[in-house]
Amino acid sequence: GESVGLHLPTLSVQEGDNSIINCAYSNSASDYFIWYKQESGKGPQFIIDIRSNMDKRQGQRVTVLLNKTVKHLSLQIAATQPGDSAVYFCAERGSSNTGKLIFGQGTTLQVKP
Amino acid sequence: GAGVSQSPRYKVAKRGQDVALRCDPISGHVSLFWYQQALGQGPEFLTYFQNEAQLDKSGLPSDRFFAERPEGSVSTLKIQRTQQEDSAVYLCASSLPVRGAGELFFGEGSRLTVL
Repeated sequence: GESVGLHLPTLSVQEGDNSIINCAYSNSASDYFIWYKQESGKGPQFIIDIRSNMDKRQGQRVTVLLNKTVKHLSLQIAATQPGDSAVYFCAERGSSNTGKLIFGQGTTLQVKP
Repeated sequence: GAGVSQSPRYKVAKRGQDVALRCDPISGHVSLFWYQQALGQGPEFLTYFQNEAQLDKSGLPSDRFFAERPEGSVSTLKIQRTQQEDSAVYLCASSLPVRGAGELFFGEGSRLTVL
C-alpha cells in the first residue's frame, strides 16, 4: 500500500458528469478503508469510509465500493463540481490495532467547467 | 481550537540543522499520528501515540527522527541534522478512539525544505 512514483494519475471530467476513482490495496487482512480528499496546501480531509464486511456505502454525492476478491476500492462522485478538484487518496487499515492507515498513491481529479 | 493545528506551516533549514515541528491535536483525542508526505506522493506513516505512550515508531526513517507527546496532548516531531531528503510536508492527525474505525483528522501540515 505504499505510494510509488512522482506522477499521480489524473482523471479529467466535465462539470456535472460522474467521476470514478479507483484504488488497489495491498493487504487482504485490512478491515477498514477510507477515502480522503486533499486540496493544494491542505491536509487530507475525510470523505467516506467502509468496513470490510460491507461492499458498498453511500454518502452525500459519493459512493464507495469495495471488492475484496480483487482488493479493489472505488470512489464514485455524482454530478462532479469544480470544488471537487483535488487529489484523492484511498487508505487502508491493516491488522494493527493502532488505527494506523496506509495510503495509496493518489489520483488527481480535474473538473472542467 | 476546532481542528488539528500545526506549526510552523513552513520551515526552511540548512542541511545539518535541527528542526522541531509542533502539533496541537483536537482536544480530548487519544490517538495522535505523524505522517510524512513527499511531493506527489501519499502520506507515509511515521509514528503513533496513544495518550503519552509512543506505541508505534516503525515508520521513523532514521534515528535522527524523534517524536514525543509528554502530557498526552501536544506533540513535537524533532529532526536532527536535517538532510535534503527530509524535505517534505509533515502531517499530524488525531482521532478520538483508541481502536476502532476512528476517523483521522489531519492538520494542514508543516512544509520542511532543507537546503
